[in-house]
Amino acid sequence: DVKVTQSSRYLVKRTGEKVFLECVQDMDHENMFWYRQDPGLGLRLIYFSYDVKMKEKGDIPEGYSVSREKKERFSLILESASTNQTSMYLCASSPSGTALYEQYFGPGTRLTVT
Amino acid sequence: AQSVTQPDIHITVSEGASLELRCNYSYGATPYLFWYVQSPGQGLQLLLKYFSGDTLVQGIKGFEAEFKRSQSSFNLRKPSVHWSDAAEYFCAVAPNTNAGKSTFGDGTTLTVKP
Repeated sequence: DVKVTQSSRYLVKRTGEKVFLECVQDMDHENMFWYRQDPGLGLRLIYFSYDVKMKEKGDIPEGYSVSREKKERFSLILESASTNQTSMYLCASSPSGTALYEQYFGPGTRLTVT
Repeated sequence: AQSVTQPDIHITVSEGASLELRCNYSYGATPYLFWYVQSPGQGLQLLLKYFSGDTLVQGIKGFEAEFKRSQSSFNLRKPSVHWSDAAEYFCAVAPNTNAGKSTFGDGTTLTVKP
C-alpha cells in the first residue's frame, strides 16, 4: 500500500513564525501536492511538483513556498504565518501518466495560528 | 478550465437505505472523473475513477458511479448504506491530457441514521 505521511497531525504556531510542514511518500511517485481544506471550500491546491526541484503554483500559492530536494519528500513553508492560514493541510502523491490524477493522501496536519 | 459542483452539502440516510450523491462538472471535453471519501480525522481515499469506456464504474466499499455525458454528471451510488459509510465525499475532475490539475468539489457530508 502507498503510504503518505505528514510530520505532525496537530500544530499550533504564533503569528509571524516560519512554519515547515513535511510530507514523505514511500512509493517512488513522481508527483506531489499540497492542498488546504477549509469547511465549505473543499480542497484548494497550493503547490504541486512533478519532479525533484520542480514546482508549480496551484490556485492559492500566496503566502506559501515549497521545497522538493528529494523525490520522496515535499515540504510546505509558511514564511510568516498569519491567522488566515489556520487550516487543515493535506499532502498527496501520485504516479505519472493517466494515473497522475489518482492521488494518495496523507492524514493531514491541522495548523492553528494564534 | 474545469469546475465541479456537488449540489448537496449534507445528506442523511438510514442504514440499509440506498444512496446517491450528485456531482456535476464543467469541461470542454470528456474529463477524467473521481470520487474520494474522507473519514473523520483522515486523509482522502480514492473510491473510484472514470477515464473512458463503460460509463458505469465500480469502486471499493460497494460504491459505483455512472458517467452521463448528456447531463455532465458523475453521480455516486450505493444500494445499501452501512453506518461506517458516514464520511465526507468529494467529487473531482481532471483534464484528459495527462497534465494540469485536479479540481475538487466542496464535498458532501453523509450522515447515517441507525
